[in-house]
Amino acid sequence: EDQVTQSPEALRLQEGESSSLNCSYTVSGLRGLFWYRQDPGKGPEFLFTLYSAGEEKEKERLKATLTKKESFLHITAPKPEDSATYLCAVHGSGNTGKLIFGQGTTLQVKP
Amino acid sequence: DAGVIQSPRHEVTEMGQEVTLRCKPISGHDYLFWYRQTMMRGLELLIYFNNNVPIDDSGMPEDRFSAKMPNASFSTLKIQPSEPRDSAVYFCASSLKTYYGYTFGSGTRLTVV
Repeated sequence: EDQVTQSPEALRLQEGESSSLNCSYTVSGLRGLFWYRQDPGKGPEFLFTLYSAGEEKEKERLKATLTKKESFLHITAPKPEDSATYLCAVHGSGNTGKLIFGQGTTLQVKP
Repeated sequence: DAGVIQSPRHEVTEMGQEVTLRCKPISGHDYLFWYRQTMMRGLELLIYFNNNVPIDDSGMPEDRFSAKMPNASFSTLKIQPSEPRDSAVYFCASSLKTYYGYTFGSGTRLTVV
């Protein structure tokens, strides 16, 4: 069964304090790993898709990386507006196309 | 592009009543997904459609839940009868392909009292 585990559950950072969020996964035949950002009261917003180990994607202060077992979302010099819940999801070849989501990491960045 | 549109944004109903949630996907997207989000269980896929045809409904909790997609621009999720444990945020999402990023709607917050 495909599984996604995110850690930590919650993370508090000072503005400018860089850190990383972890997403560990088990999936049969990874077709894609996805990162989303979710603000309170809103739907998840797509950030990145990674398709193969070694791939990296960047957007502003965020950088996502992928290995065969896990993905990291690195946040460099975060700002208060980066505060949100970050969700990781996988699409495996054996699950007919649906995304399996992790529980998310809630990030709070204090000024 | 207006994105994925869901209605209503909030719904409060009494136990036993029928509830209908609505979704308009992005034009041209072939896939439509219904998810439910709770604090305890996170985001769970209920059902998804490809070209208006239900492909996987294994996440639908029980027979009280049903979903339809009569055309490419409209889908409904119905709960009859509703129960307090159905209280959650229900999201609709659409996508060009299953391995592309989904676009989510703003969700419907359902409270069953």
